[in-house]
Amino acid sequence: NAGVTQTPKFQVLKTGQSMTLQCAQDMNHEYMSWYRQDPGMGLRLIHYSVGAGITDQGEVPNGYNVSRSTTEDFPLRLLSAAPSQTSVYFCASSYRGTGRRDTEAFFGQGTRLTVV
Amino acid sequence: KNQVEQSPQSLIILEGKNCTLQCNYTVSPFSNLRWYKQDTGRGPVSLTIMTFSENTKSNGRYTATLDADTKQSSLHITASQLSDSASYICVVRERRDSSYKLIFGSGTRLLVRP
Repeated sequence: NAGVTQTPKFQVLKTGQSMTLQCAQDMNHEYMSWYRQDPGMGLRLIHYSVGAGITDQGEVPNGYNVSRSTTEDFPLRLLSAAPSQTSVYFCASSYRGTGRRDTEAFFGQGTRLTVV
Repeated sequence: KNQVEQSPQSLIILEGKNCTLQCNYTVSPFSNLRWYKQDTGRGPVSLTIMTFSENTKSNGRYTATLDADTKQSSLHITASQLSDSASYICVVRERRDSSYKLIFGSGTRLLVRP
């Protein structure tokens, strides 16, 4: 059981380049989301998905695109990388939960991205 | 604005000692509160999750408390070990049935020294 797998673990981009961060989970979770973590700040939500074919914007969506064609995969695309996107990116997944019941969010190991 | 504030920002303790980390939140409506442990270079890992009706929850040497009236939570670590050195993140989920929004604190960085 691999859990949440992110690739790559490290990436250096030049300003203006595009790339896709991959995220896959094997737990059949409905919810998947992308966060960025910057020094001294809490994780901030970029985009999230409540199921295949459904995505929505989070707190800091500008400069990023997502799609959810399958339950397992939730890639994050940087359209034109900027130095402000230098950060550590985390993908997370969880079951939907019902009512007051909730289930835990599982995080990937992170992708450390540097834009120069 | 919904916020989660943690204190202290950083903490150094000696191995074997106890410590308590604080979390204050203004998130409303509130669904649940979680504590995560994040080792350097790794993703966050869940320690506890509490709904508003729960006052305390333990996970081994970790004990979390929640006062939903004052909107405060604490994480108490007993008999600290070197492996407890990590960032501890308080996370609050908004109570919105159609979404799954988690609001993260900026964390407390704990260093346990021999």
